[in-house]
Amino acid sequence: NAGVMQNPRHLVRRRGQEARLRCSPMKGHSHVYWYRQLPEEGLKFMVYLQKENIIDESGMPKERFSAEFPKEGPSILRIQQVVRGDSAAYFCASSPGDNNNEQFFGPGTRLTVL
Amino acid sequence: AQSVTQLGSHVSVSEGALVLLRCNYSSSVPPYLFWYVQYPNQGLQLLLKYTSAATLVKGINGFEAEFKKSETSFHLTKPSAHMSDAAEYFCAVSTGFQKLVFGTGTRLLVSP
Repeated sequence: NAGVMQNPRHLVRRRGQEARLRCSPMKGHSHVYWYRQLPEEGLKFMVYLQKENIIDESGMPKERFSAEFPKEGPSILRIQQVVRGDSAAYFCASSPGDNNNEQFFGPGTRLTVL
Repeated sequence: AQSVTQLGSHVSVSEGALVLLRCNYSSSVPPYLFWYVQYPNQGLQLLLKYTSAATLVKGINGFEAEFKKSETSFHLTKPSAHMSDAAEYFCAVSTGFQKLVFGTGTRLLVSP
């Protein structure tokens, strides 16, 4: 059973470009979470999605950031018009949706904005 | 709202010594508590979790943690440190079917 997959593992963008981060949850998992880890800091929640629905986006910046989890395909975290402050590691986690909320993390995408 | 405080951003121990990483939580409802480990440039791996069953939880790699409601603590321990334990450790809390709230992490350094 493959774990949570994220791609790309490393992404370099220039200021003003768009970044698209992909997350394929573990087989059988219908819940996806995105977290951001700034250098030397802990992980901060961004958004929680189920198939085709955003459940909690309380951690998402109000502008430039969006997320989706379509019926088919991976979950996408999209950052428009990136700025240097967006440079971070972005982690995706998935869970099966049972009540103990064990989340399984992917290896992360490290975004560098030049 | 939930929160987690990890005391000590860095902890140094000698190989073979006791490891103690501290975590205190705040939650208005019975919490679920987790410890994760992160090796450099990697994702997070679950060490152990507390989900309202036994208060002493055993995890992987010889780690364990004890849930103490009266102290709102969930400290992580290991009797004897190995060099391979050097990593960043994160305590996290949730109230079930929701996001995890992480502490700021503790970097464990193990010297020979």
